[in-house]
Amino acid sequence: GESVGLHLPTLSVQEGDNSIINCAYSNSASDYFIWYKQESGKGPQFIIDIRSNMDKRQGQRVTVLLNKTVKHLSLQIAATQPGDSAVYFCAESSGYSTLTFGKGTMLLVSP
Amino acid sequence: GAVVSQHPSRVICKSGTSVKIECRSLDFQATTMFWYRQFPKKSLMLMATSNEGSKATYEQGVEKDKFLINHASLTLSTLTVTSAHPEDSSFYICSARDRWEDSNEKLFFGSGTQLSVL
Repeated sequence: GESVGLHLPTLSVQEGDNSIINCAYSNSASDYFIWYKQESGKGPQFIIDIRSNMDKRQGQRVTVLLNKTVKHLSLQIAATQPGDSAVYFCAESSGYSTLTFGKGTMLLVSP
Repeated sequence: GAVVSQHPSRVICKSGTSVKIECRSLDFQATTMFWYRQFPKKSLMLMATSNEGSKATYEQGVEKDKFLINHASLTLSTLTVTSAHPEDSSFYICSARDRWEDSNEKLFFGSGTQLSVL
């Protein structure tokens, strides 16, 4: 079936930099997208979501961009902190379908 | 915010034994819960959808007799790994959907259970 994928398995940044994590999805019917943060040995933690009728949504230090034309989703983290180090997953769903998770990107933030 | 409690967080068992993992919604009712499996450095794979008061719906390739799911109340779903073998070692995660929500917008995750089968 269709799945969500990520371009970069690991992203290393310096503290204070802005981070961009990318995600490509293939299901053109997907209408809801979520970014999760997962720290080692813990469950996913909701960061931010976006519906397909939007192309940008901002939260605290995070922004999600959605480009439906190329089926691309990105998560921008401003002023990255060591506490942001984790694996980030995008997930998508269509209507009331179950979530499909992408492969994940590990973000490593150096002090 | 809504809290999902998953217990135990870590369990080590001998091969051939059964292990039960609990997933509880603490401050909301959940008619639907989900069970995922995650291997190291991999993504979450949906195993089954747990429905309160009815049989679980398993994803293709998941053995329902191996992974028994019971969702007897609006706040508790259990996953029992029967006759566990080393290949069942994995990180298991549950999530719960608020009963008044039909979408994935109100989906809350447990903290996961690391199962190690010796």
